[in-house]
Amino acid sequence: DTEVTQTPKHLVMGMTNKKSLKCEQHMGHRAMYWYKQKAKKPPELMFVYSYEKLSINESVPSRFSPECPNSSLLNLHLHALQPEDSALYLCASSPGDGAAYEQYFGPGTRLTVT
Amino acid sequence: GQNIDQPTEMTATEGAIVQINCTYQTSGFNGLFWYQQHAGEAPTFLSYNVLDGLEEKGRFSSFLSRSKGYSYLLLKELQMKDSASYLCAVRDHTGNTPLVFGKGTRLSVIA
Repeated sequence: DTEVTQTPKHLVMGMTNKKSLKCEQHMGHRAMYWYKQKAKKPPELMFVYSYEKLSINESVPSRFSPECPNSSLLNLHLHALQPEDSALYLCASSPGDGAAYEQYFGPGTRLTVT
Repeated sequence: GQNIDQPTEMTATEGAIVQINCTYQTSGFNGLFWYQQHAGEAPTFLSYNVLDGLEEKGRFSSFLSRSKGYSYLLLKELQMKDSASYLCAVRDHTGNTPLVFGKGTRLSVIA
């Protein structure tokens, strides 16, 4: 299994809703990432988990809450989002968080906040 | 600071060769990645350079010059399916961010 899976593929939510994005990998990777990507822009790093511990939070608003229940799973809990949070949310993983490791990206969740 | 520059858009003809340049200025350097991203899809890994020189992989090659802060991605025998965005990303181990992405180059391959 050499892929990163994400669910759901598409999500439409209101500003008062609470929802979660899920990411899973079974490659034994120890680093997992959340990125946000707006149209025609590069991915922007949000969070990094290394060995199931949050190692980087790129000053992301608290309405985004990451969770790493185990080494294969990564969640992103969403609450009270704004329309400008509409974007493609990408999950990625790599064997470690060291220099030479390429990141494997999931297909993303396209989020629309109404 | 961190700055990665690449052209915004390029157009090339099917069967031709195209070179996409990337220049970077980062506090530290620990490798450069090229990713391909089709519209609405996730980025996929193309190449990794950490030492100077050319890495060849099929129709794609990537070159790095650390002294010049410069890399290019060379695509040969272009096919229509190569129309995509190409992202240059630098690993800056001195910063907090594991991978810094450039804005990407949108390549259109025309018949």
